[in-house]
Amino acid sequence: AQSVTQPDIHITVSEGASLELRCNYSYGATPYLFWYVQSPGQGLQLLLKYFSGDTLVQGIKGFEAEFKRSQSSFNLRKPSVHWSDAAEYFCAVFRGSNYKLTFGKGTLLTVNP
Amino acid sequence: ETGVTQSPTHLIKTRGQQVTLRCSSQSGHNTVSWYQQALGQGPQFIFQYYREEENGRGNFPPRFSGLQFPNYSSELNVNALELDDSALYLCASSLAGQQFTDTQYFGPGTRLTVL
Repeated sequence: AQSVTQPDIHITVSEGASLELRCNYSYGATPYLFWYVQSPGQGLQLLLKYFSGDTLVQGIKGFEAEFKRSQSSFNLRKPSVHWSDAAEYFCAVFRGSNYKLTFGKGTLLTVNP
Repeated sequence: ETGVTQSPTHLIKTRGQQVTLRCSSQSGHNTVSWYQQALGQGPQFIFQYYREEENGRGNFPPRFSGLQFPNYSSELNVNALELDDSALYLCASSLAGQQFTDTQYFGPGTRLTVL
């Protein structure tokens, strides 16, 4: 069965610092990978996605992610974090055979001024 | 282009009651998926509807059921509510191609509390 692991439950960074959120997946075939962000009490907003091709993908709000097949990872990065980036971040894998997104448990990001 | 909308925003029910949650898909999207997000967890897939037919289902009992209408809006119905059904229910719409490798766009969710 496919699964998604986000090893860090909570990360705190200072405003202006760089950020990397980790995501590992377990899936036999080439996955379709997503990062979503959720502000408190809100739905999920798509940050970026990887289907195929260039393994470094750019998203909205200055985020990027790199797909590494050898490490089964899809880590999210941002060079300089803004206070408005404080939210919960979810990595997800899409499997076409059952049409569902499988989400990790999320990483809560706190940004200190 | 309108986004995904859900109603109501919040809902309080008692154990044993029935509830209907509604979702309006993004314009042009023909597929809707429903997810349950318990507090502190990632969303869990309930089911998906494509052209008014159930297209896939997660590990949820039959008392969770759904409908998709010709205009691609959707309902999630939950019968015999249990305390553990308290969660944020998210609807996501997408435009399905042959391989369903489409991106899902989420609504703001309905917060259901079961007392």
